[in-house]
Formats: sequence, C-alpha cells, structure tokens
Amino acid sequence: DAGVIQSPRHEVTEMGQEVTLRCKPISGHDYLFWYRQTMMRGLELLIYFNNNVPIDDSGMPEDRFSAKMPNASFSTLKIQPSEPRDSAVYFCASSSGQGFQLYNEQFFGPGTRLTVL
Amino acid sequence: AQSVTQLGSHVSVSEGALVLLRCNYSSSVPPYLFWYVQYPNQGLQLLLKYTTGATLVKGINGFEAEFKKSETSFHLTKPSAHMSDAAEYFCAVSDPYSSASKIIFGSGTRLSIRP
Repeated sequence: DAGVIQSPRHEVTEMGQEVTLRCKPISGHDYLFWYRQTMMRGLELLIYFNNNVPIDDSGMPEDRFSAKMPNASFSTLKIQPSEPRDSAVYFCASSSGQGFQLYNEQFFGPGTRLTVL
Repeated sequence: AQSVTQLGSHVSVSEGALVLLRCNYSSSVPPYLFWYVQYPNQGLQLLLKYTTGATLVKGINGFEAEFKKSETSFHLTKPSAHMSDAAEYFCAVSDPYSSASKIIFGSGTRLSIRP
C-alpha cells in the first residue's frame, strides 16, 4: 500500500492567494482527518470526514478555511485568502472504522509545509 | 470528554540511558491509548497501542508502555536510548465506544539524546 499521499509537499505563497492542499487516503479507509501543526499550538485537528461526509469541523479556524471530500479517494483543504499566520505543516490522516473492533489507528501522510509570505 | 496530558515538553537523556516519557489521560470509559512518533520533517507513525487485554504493550524500536488504570497513566519507556530515538512523541487517546474515530493527541514531548 502506498500510504496516505499528500501534495504538494511544500507550498510557498503570498498573502491573499488561494492555497489548495490535496490528500489521497489509504484505499478502504472510511475516515479522513486534516490536522495543522505549528510550534506554538502543536497538533490541531481541523476537520474530519466519515464516508466522505464532514462530521466535525469545529477545529477549522475561520471561514477562510474549507475542506471537501468529493469521493472516497480524494480530499482538499483550501485556504482563501491565505495569511502569514496560516504558515504551518498540514497533515492528512486516514483510518478504518470497519469491523467489530474500532482500533482507531490513524495513518498519517508526510504533510504539506505551507509558508505564506 | 477525553484528554491527554504529557508531562514535560522536552526530555533529554544520554545514549544508553533509560527513556521515560510520561502520559496521563482522562476518559469516562475504558480508552484506547496510543503513542505516535514523529521524526524530523516526517508525519506521525504509530509506535504502539493499547486496546484491551495485557496492560504492558510492546511497540517498535524497543519501546513499550504500560496501561495503569488506577493511575490513569500510559507512560512510554525504553531501557536503553539510541541516537536514532531523537524525535517528538505524542500520546493519544480515543473512545472505542464512539461511532466517530476521533483521536485526541497530547501536546507532544521532544526527546533529545546526548552522545
């Protein structure tokens, strides 16, 4: 299995620009998570999906952030307009809720390092 | 609500010394507990997990953790530190009875290894 795939790995943009981060979860996983990691705030859960449906977006910082999951193999996190304080590493993770026991183990992608100038 | 507290944001040990990273949790139901490791410039990867059964859990790279319900703790240990263990370690908790698959992560502990 290729694991969770994220693109791009690095993104440098200017304030005010739109940024789109992409994620391909592990095939067969029905949960997908977006996290943000910064030195100041650590690892924060932004939003997660189950079967392509957003379940909890309470971690999304503001309306500039939006996430979609049009199908089971693809998700995007969009920031529009971007601001310098959005600079962080964004991780996508997926997990499986199938089976009698929910082990809830999450598999993380390598992350996208976003720098907003 | 569940929560995790990691004591010490930074731990430094000598190579060959015991590694002890502390984690305490709060949960209203018997939880699932995890330790994840993050090497520089990489994503998190699972080190070990406790679900049910034996309270002493062995993971990769010689790490182990013990679930102590009476102390609400899940401390991570390794008898002898290696330079390659330098990384950030996250303790995490989840509710196995929830229909959601949400994991709550601690704030992380950075482990440094002195030569």
